[in-house]
Amino acid sequence: GESVGLHLPTLSVQEGDNSIINCAYSNSASDYFIWYKQESGKGPQFIIDIRSNMDKRQGQRVTVLLNKTVKHLSLQIAATQPGDSAVYFCAENISNFGNEKLTFGTGTRLTIIP
Amino acid sequence: EAGVTQFPSHSVIEKGQTVTLRCDPISGHDNLYWYRRVMGKEIKFLLHFVKESKQDESGMPNNRFLAERTGGTYSTLKVQPAELEDSGVYFCASSLGPGGGDTQYFGPGTRLTVL
Repeated sequence: GESVGLHLPTLSVQEGDNSIINCAYSNSASDYFIWYKQESGKGPQFIIDIRSNMDKRQGQRVTVLLNKTVKHLSLQIAATQPGDSAVYFCAENISNFGNEKLTFGTGTRLTIIP
Repeated sequence: EAGVTQFPSHSVIEKGQTVTLRCDPISGHDNLYWYRRVMGKEIKFLLHFVKESKQDESGMPNNRFLAERTGGTYSTLKVQPAELEDSGVYFCASSLGPGGGDTQYFGPGTRLTVL
């Protein structure tokens, strides 16, 4: 897929275990954060988002934590499954009208070991 | 509901040729974005349409790239003439709008290879 050649941080997790993927964002003015999952040959798929007025948000098997003090974002995936193997990207945005571009991190490759 | 679609999925062209990529956003989405990932780099923003107007084109690398969104529906991104460094995957995304902080939904991408 298009990840060939990318030297991504990697994380290998045993199936059924929990995983944590970390991301440091760059702009202290960013107030909207998103995690995307990208499988080989596909586009980024929305997983979960969080706004800066929150520090935690939960979805189905996923939790996003936001620490604005140190500009850090994490994605926790509970009870990992083989289908969770993918590259995960964090993205940040300043949610002002007219400035809606996303700034992506470099991504982390998660491999679930059966 | 159909997602964002892109055509073609792959394109291989010679340096100096022209290529046109197409994106069909989710129906009803006013916002349309182009991003790309070149080899070894992260996904980077190219430009943003609100309906047929260019809201932000700060990420367009140079004047060899031309994006249009006539009628505010589908969009095209033309590269003319293509250079080797243009190789990469071009993603289109759309969001409902208005305003920022809307979820952007991505298409599968077009892999462009310039030889």
